[in-house]
Amino acid sequence: SQTIHQWPATLVQPVGSPLSLECTVEGTSNPNLYWYRQAAGRGLQLLFYSVGIGQISSEVPQNLSASRPQDRQFILSSKKLLLSDSGFYLCAWSVSVAIEAFFGQGTRLTVV
Amino acid sequence: RKEVEQDPGPFNVPEGATVAFNCTYSNSASQSFFWYRQDCRKEPKLLMSVYSSGNEDGRFTAQLNRASQYISLLIRDSKLSDSATYLCVVTRNDYKLSFGAGTTVTVRA
Repeated sequence: SQTIHQWPATLVQPVGSPLSLECTVEGTSNPNLYWYRQAAGRGLQLLFYSVGIGQISSEVPQNLSASRPQDRQFILSSKKLLLSDSGFYLCAWSVSVAIEAFFGQGTRLTVV
Repeated sequence: RKEVEQDPGPFNVPEGATVAFNCTYSNSASQSFFWYRQDCRKEPKLLMSVYSSGNEDGRFTAQLNRASQYISLLIRDSKLSDSATYLCVVTRNDYKLSFGAGTTVTVRA
């Protein structure tokens, strides 16, 4: 069966520090991978998506970047965090947009 | 205009009541439609897909109106456990899943 792992669950980082969030998927090949951010009380904002190794599409200009070094690994990074980067970060995968997307348990990031 | 818009609610209903709400989408090329459920501080999970002919899953009924570009969700015989935020999701053929901001439902005893 397929599983998605996302870590850490909670993170408190100072302004200006770097960030690296990792997401891995098991049990499937060539998944579509997504990073979303959800601010408190708000909807999910698509940050990046990838349809294959090394292929990254960015949805909004921001302080973040993403990489897909392996087929089932998706990494979200920042060189210098801003206060506005705080939020609930969710990784997701799907084999097709026509069927279900599965989410990791999320990382709650607080920038202080 | 946002790609997917939802009434944020909250819808505050007693147990056993029926509650219904809509979601509108702006892109007529949208192809697939879903309702996800998100519990407080948890990840979203698929509730049901929405098919052109409408579909039902137990107490939940979803409808799609392509002409008016909206989908709806109806919950019958509400349970306390139905309290959650319901997210409307719309996709095209470009791999993107676009989420609405969610409709909050609170079922009270």
